[in-house]
Amino acid sequence: SQQGEEDPQALSIQEGENATMNCSYKTSINNLQWYRQNSGRGLVHLILIRSNEREKHSGRLRVTLDTSKKSSSLLITASRAADTASYFCATDFNSGNTPLVFGKGTRLSVIA
Amino acid sequence: DAGITQSPRHKVTETGTPVTLRCHQTENHRYMYWYRQDPGHGLRLIHYSYGVKDTDKGEVSDGYSVSRSKTEDFLLTLESATSSQTSVYFCAISESRGGEQYFGPGTRLTVT
Repeated sequence: SQQGEEDPQALSIQEGENATMNCSYKTSINNLQWYRQNSGRGLVHLILIRSNEREKHSGRLRVTLDTSKKSSSLLITASRAADTASYFCATDFNSGNTPLVFGKGTRLSVIA
Repeated sequence: DAGITQSPRHKVTETGTPVTLRCHQTENHRYMYWYRQDPGHGLRLIHYSYGVKDTDKGEVSDGYSVSRSKTEDFLLTLESATSSQTSVYFCAISESRGGEQYFGPGTRLTVT
């Protein structure tokens, strides 16, 4: 399967702490994306990083990409209770039929 | 939220009955997608469309068909619903293949 794998599956932290989630994949990509899903809602796009980029920032979000290790990390700084959600990575592979392949997600709980 | 609606939002149906889910967009995006989301499996692509009357299969297309007769509408049909098709179904749109996707609110389908 080309599916990316997020690590950890679940993460629980205190408000104000940083949260780091990782995504690994197996074959070459055009880009990698991160999405958030609040309980019972649709996914929301957070950030896209292209294969020739190493780091991107958006507000309290920082995404890194290491194509040599085929991995990406999402860092949420100074977390808030409202960041409680599931986070998914999605990869646009160079080959294959599926436009975007989603991982199974990391469930983040931020405790106030 | 991007202009994506799904109908119905909830449906309970019996095994063997046909079911059609509708996705409607007001963004004029070329690509439209149908996913199902199940615990332990993450988000899996059923079918997608890259233009009016242009569709392709995803990872879990068996038992499903789609149609796109207008840019704004993408229909998902379960010809004869089975209990294994009980799931939450999401529609998504994007301007380009592999680009950011914008998700609808989801349809919770229960097949009894």
